[in-house]
Amino acid sequence: NAGVTQTPKFQVLKTGQSMTLQCAQDMNHEYMSWYRQDPGMGLRLIHYSVGAGITDQGEVPNGYNVSRSTTEDFPLRLLSAAPSQTSVYFCASSYSRHMFETQYFGPGTRLLVL
Amino acid sequence: GQQLNQSPQSMFIQEGEDVSMNCTSSSIFNTWLWYKQDPGEGPVLLIALYKAGELTSNGRLTAQFGITRKDSFLNISASIPSDVGIYFCAGQLRSGGGGADGLTFGKGTHLIIQP
Repeated sequence: NAGVTQTPKFQVLKTGQSMTLQCAQDMNHEYMSWYRQDPGMGLRLIHYSVGAGITDQGEVPNGYNVSRSTTEDFPLRLLSAAPSQTSVYFCASSYSRHMFETQYFGPGTRLLVL
Repeated sequence: GQQLNQSPQSMFIQEGEDVSMNCTSSSIFNTWLWYKQDPGEGPVLLIALYKAGELTSNGRLTAQFGITRKDSFLNISASIPSDVGIYFCAGQLRSGGGGADGLTFGKGTHLIIQP
């Protein structure tokens, strides 16, 4: 198993550009989520999904869109990048929403918005 | 949102020393989790705690769920170079509905080990 994979590893964007951060898992996990990690802050939840076709907002959803068309993939879209979105983004998955101790994190995407 | 106070922010220690860190909250938690994040990687779960007073070990790591349900502690004994990284606590509020979406994360403790 590859676990949770994220692409790209690094990305530089200009303000106003859009992009999609990819996340995939091969563990047949129902629950998937996106976090951002900023210096001096704990991980903050952006969006999550409890299964294909179902998504919901987390703590900091503004400026991001998600969709879950398959169990395996959960892409995060930045609609119009802003410098405040410079961060490290982690995708995570677990068997279910309630089995959070089984949550696996991907290696992260480091995003710089100029 | 809910805040977890994690301390210390960073620790500079000698190889072989024991390490202690903690997380505190003003709210009662049902579950405490401790993660380690290596440079350039995502967090990996070390220990999960489910009951007040619970003491759980994972090798040289020992974590405790505080009696008040508002704090948790992580100890590392006889530190080695591969212990370097960022250690995060995370908690699930008693009133949080029990899902991963309800986890609150601490800001992390940076552990730096000098050989």
